[in-house]
Amino acid sequence: KQEVTQIPAALSVPEGENLVLNCSFTDSAIYNLQWFRQDPGKGLTSLLLIQSSQREQTSGRLNASLDKSSGRSTLYIAASQPGDSATYLCAVQGNMLTFGGGTRLMVKP
Amino acid sequence: DAGVIQSPRHEVTEMGQEVTLRCKPISGHNSLFWYRQTMMRGLELLIYFNNNVPIDDSGMPEDRFSAKMPNASFSTLKIQPSEPRDSAVYFCASREDSTGANVLTFGAGSRLTVL
Repeated sequence: KQEVTQIPAALSVPEGENLVLNCSFTDSAIYNLQWFRQDPGKGLTSLLLIQSSQREQTSGRLNASLDKSSGRSTLYIAASQPGDSATYLCAVQGNMLTFGGGTRLMVKP
Repeated sequence: DAGVIQSPRHEVTEMGQEVTLRCKPISGHNSLFWYRQTMMRGLELLIYFNNNVPIDDSGMPEDRFSAKMPNASFSTLKIQPSEPRDSAVYFCASREDSTGANVLTFGAGSRLTVL
């Protein structure tokens, strides 16, 4: 059974800092990995999707990498802003779509 | 496209009452998912439809929960009778599975409170 872990569970950084969120998974037989953002009381918004054949995807200040062999993905956020404050979840698509528990990010002005 | 549309956005009901949550997926998406989110358990997959057919309902907690997808543009999740422990946010998500893009799009969720 696939297990997806996100560390840390919570993170607080000053505005402007570059930061890395981590996602690890136990079964490397995956089709893709997707990063989502969730604001309090809202639904999930897709940020980036990396196919299993890809190593990374970029969108604006966000860069997601995937290392299938080691079962890891990272979400890099450059020059963080208070508006980046949210919970970030990764989801791994194998036979099932399995979500991690999320990292709650707070960027302080 | 208006995205995945869920209704109601909020529902407060009393224990024992029937609850029906509704979802309209994105047009052209052939897979639909129902998730439940709580602080304690995070996001849990309840059931997954592909081309209107239930593929995996192993996440449905018990017989009180049922889901239907009568056509490609509509799905319901029903809880009868509801219990306080069913209080959660229920999300519907859809995906187009034939192109390989596989981006999962979520609705805004239905927040259920059972008193």
